Amino acid sequence: DIVLTQTPPSLSVTPGQTASISCKSSQSLLRSDGKTHLYWFLQKPGQPPQLLIYELFNRFSGVPDRFSGSGSGTDFTLKISRVEADDVGTYYCMQSMQLPITFGGGTKVEIK
Amino acid sequence: EIQLVESGGAVVQPGGSLRLSCTVSGFTFSEYWMSWVRQAPGKGPEWVANINQDGTTKYYLDSVEGRFTISRDNTKNSLYLQMTSLRVEDTAKYYCTDFDFWGQGAQVTVSS
Repeated sequence: DIVLTQTPPSLSVTPGQTASISCKSSQSLLRSDGKTHLYWFLQKPGQPPQLLIYELFNRFSGVPDRFSGSGSGTDFTLKISRVEADDVGTYYCMQSMQLPITFGGGTKVEIK
Repeated sequence: EIQLVESGGAVVQPGGSLRLSCTVSGFTFSEYWMSWVRQAPGKGPEWVANINQDGTTKYYLDSVEGRFTISRDNTKNSLYLQMTSLRVEDTAKYYCTDFDFWGQGAQVTVSS
């Protein structure tokens, strides 16, 4: 199984500052179709996960451009610019390169 | 508006069975792979199973293979998860998703 390791496990951010979350994969997530099968989700308390970023860097419909995904191969980063109070929750990376689909352990973001 | 609504969650004894349903509206259900993802209390999401557009291809997490069966009825815009030989460790909220959109989840509790 592909293991996704997220760091840090938690993050406290001042509003307006930038937060970065790392996700490292045990195998490359670059498929022969040229796409990187790495996704980012935000799960707010009491809610299901919501898709933020698909295939490494594509923002899902309605996601503010403050959220950006980057990386390559096995190392990935989610950056949240100009953090707002509504960004609190737990962020997960997920891979669909290989079954079973797996998730990272999560990064809990709180606002200072 | 896109909606995924799960139903069928319950408290069951170890060894028991349960069938979850998910009714989808707002998008062309028959065009998408669909998955069940579960989340135990305080844990991250865990992919359980998925099914292709016409229901002919199915994949499962190793720990549920042979006990759970995923199916769909495109005429009813519905996804199902038949769960048998339930274990305490199957306790979780079960989400229906295509990963772009998620339902609110159905709670399954396995306890004697």
